[in-house]
Amino acid sequence: RKEVEQDPGPFNVPEGATVAFNCTYSNSASQSFFWYRQDCRKEPKLLMSVYSSGNEDGRFTAQLNRASQYISLLIRDSKLSDSATYLCVVNPNTGNQFYFGTGTSLTVIP
Amino acid sequence: NAGVTQTPKFQVLKTGQSMTLQCAQDMNHEYMSWYRQDPGMGLRLIHYSVGAGITDQGEVPNGYNVSRSTTEDFPLRLLSAAPSQTSVYFCASTSDGSSYNEQFFGPGTRLTVL
Repeated sequence: RKEVEQDPGPFNVPEGATVAFNCTYSNSASQSFFWYRQDCRKEPKLLMSVYSSGNEDGRFTAQLNRASQYISLLIRDSKLSDSATYLCVVNPNTGNQFYFGTGTSLTVIP
Repeated sequence: NAGVTQTPKFQVLKTGQSMTLQCAQDMNHEYMSWYRQDPGMGLRLIHYSVGAGITDQGEVPNGYNVSRSTTEDFPLRLLSAAPSQTSVYFCASTSDGSSYNEQFFGPGTRLTVL
């Protein structure tokens, strides 16, 4: 079983829409969670960390559900510039290793 | 700060050739790592280092060697290239080994093995 699983999409949404991505992880002892953004043919960059209480950064909201072992990312009022691949990243607390999901592709359509 | 730099950006090798992918960071980060990214597979950890002189294997280490003689540099060596090593390679650094810290990635090296 993969450490981290994501729906690859693609998600095609109109501008202004709200879209949500989920990601599940297999190790219940996992202690840190992140969402990274990757533009086409570029390197991943941190979008936001995910905290137990949930956290918000502008139009982006991240949630953690430890009981069901998933994290989510909600994007409100989608912009064309949000088009990218969103990577779920988990540290399973087994050492200095981070596990990446395969990414969810988002295209925001005018 | 240049952040994390990688060279070359693109490389084509023939099966059996060897080469070194270079990675350097100027942020005085202790923790550095190498990933490969393949379609449908996500990023997978090849090797990592928690400081100068210390390296360890990640998820997919076979066919690759690393060394860490300085804090700044973390080269990845392909010993005898195989078509299965065709991939995009990313180097990343983190200030320390804390699992809560942001990873900073280099721009990547796109490698094709014929």
